[in-house]
Amino acid sequence: KAGVTQTPRYLIKTRGQQVTLSCSPISGHRSVSWYQQTPGQGLQFLFEYFSETQRNKGNFPGRFSGRQFSNSRSEMNVSTLELGDSALYLCASSLWREGLGEQYFGPGTRLTVT
Amino acid sequence: GQQVMQIPQYQHVQEGEDFTTYCNSSTTLSNIQWYKQRPGGHPVFLIQLVKSGEVKKQKRLTFQFGEAKKNSSLHITATQTTDVGTYFCAPNSNSGYALNFGKGTSLLVTP
Repeated sequence: KAGVTQTPRYLIKTRGQQVTLSCSPISGHRSVSWYQQTPGQGLQFLFEYFSETQRNKGNFPGRFSGRQFSNSRSEMNVSTLELGDSALYLCASSLWREGLGEQYFGPGTRLTVT
Repeated sequence: GQQVMQIPQYQHVQEGEDFTTYCNSSTTLSNIQWYKQRPGGHPVFLIQLVKSGEVKKQKRLTFQFGEAKKNSSLHITATQTTDVGTYFCAPNSNSGYALNFGKGTSLLVTP
């Protein structure tokens, strides 16, 4: 089975721009979660989608948004980029059984905002 | 959410020494997962604990979930250089729709 894939792997953007990151989950996984990882804050939960519905959102500003398509692929968007948005963005997919089970992480997208 | 505190933040051991990381919560947790992230890599699932007082072993790794389900620990016996990485605990949120990762414990093992 193919693992979780994320594109692009690396991205450099300028302050004020917007960016879209993509995630393809493991086949059969309908739950997709997004996390931001920085050295100072660790792994922070952004949002979780299941069957195209956002079920939970972390404590991030409205500039961070996401969506999930009918094939479970997911995208996240960050508008009006700030320097502090530089981070590794990780996507994880999982099966859903009475709570989030084992998360399978993708390799991440390294975003640098200059 | 179900915030947890992980200690220590860093640990440096000689190969062959034991290592333990602790995950503490002020509230009762429904379950907790543990992940390992190698330098430059992504988190990889190790285990999930659900029952009060649960103890699970994976070769040299021993995972425990406290009786009150407010704390958990990961113990590695006789560390090896392959154990290097950051270990995260992650309880499910109250909603069940999010994992709230601890800050992690970074383990360095020198030969």
